[in-house]
Amino acid sequence: NAGVMQNPRHLVRRRGQEARLRCSPMKGHSHVYWYRQLPEEGLKFMVYLQKENIIDESGMPKERFSAEFPKEGPSILRIQQVVRGDSAAYFCASSPGQENNEKLFFGSGTQLSVL
Amino acid sequence: EDQVTQSPEALRLQEGESSSLNCSYTVSGLRGLFWYRQDPGKGPEFLFTLYSAGEEKEKERLKATLTKKESFLHITAPKPEDSATYLCAVQEGNYQLIWGAGTKLIIKP
Repeated sequence: NAGVMQNPRHLVRRRGQEARLRCSPMKGHSHVYWYRQLPEEGLKFMVYLQKENIIDESGMPKERFSAEFPKEGPSILRIQQVVRGDSAAYFCASSPGQENNEKLFFGSGTQLSVL
Repeated sequence: EDQVTQSPEALRLQEGESSSLNCSYTVSGLRGLFWYRQDPGKGPEFLFTLYSAGEEKEKERLKATLTKKESFLHITAPKPEDSATYLCAVQEGNYQLIWGAGTKLIIKP
């Protein structure tokens, strides 16, 4: 039973390019969360999605950032026109449903570096 | 403003030397407090959920306790493989978690 899969593990982009981060939740999980982590800081909530629906995107900047979780395929976090301040580790977590969302299963993250 | 503060930021112990990590929080309505372990280059791994003051949970060398304002993660006779960053998070609403910055625990053999 594969866990939460994120790719790529490391992504290097130059300022102004686009970054696409992918997350495949655990089998049977229909809820996906994206978090951002900076060194020495706690995880910061970005967005919560269910299949084909964005439930809460209050933690995600309104410009340049978008997320989707299509009916088929992985969840995608997209950052357009990246800036150096976007450099961070981005983690995806999944849960089976809102009743059980207390226990999140995390992927190993994508480390985004913006040059 | 809701906050979660963990202390100390880092803790170095000798193998077998017991100690405690602290997580203090200020939220208006706690629905749950969570402890996770994070190894370098990995995502957090769930350890415990605590729901009400006085509750305790144990797993191997770890025991988590909860009061109305803080939680402790007690580690008894730790081993080098217990070295990791331990994260605390609180749930106030339906699903959003507020995370502390973590305590980096290093156990020396």
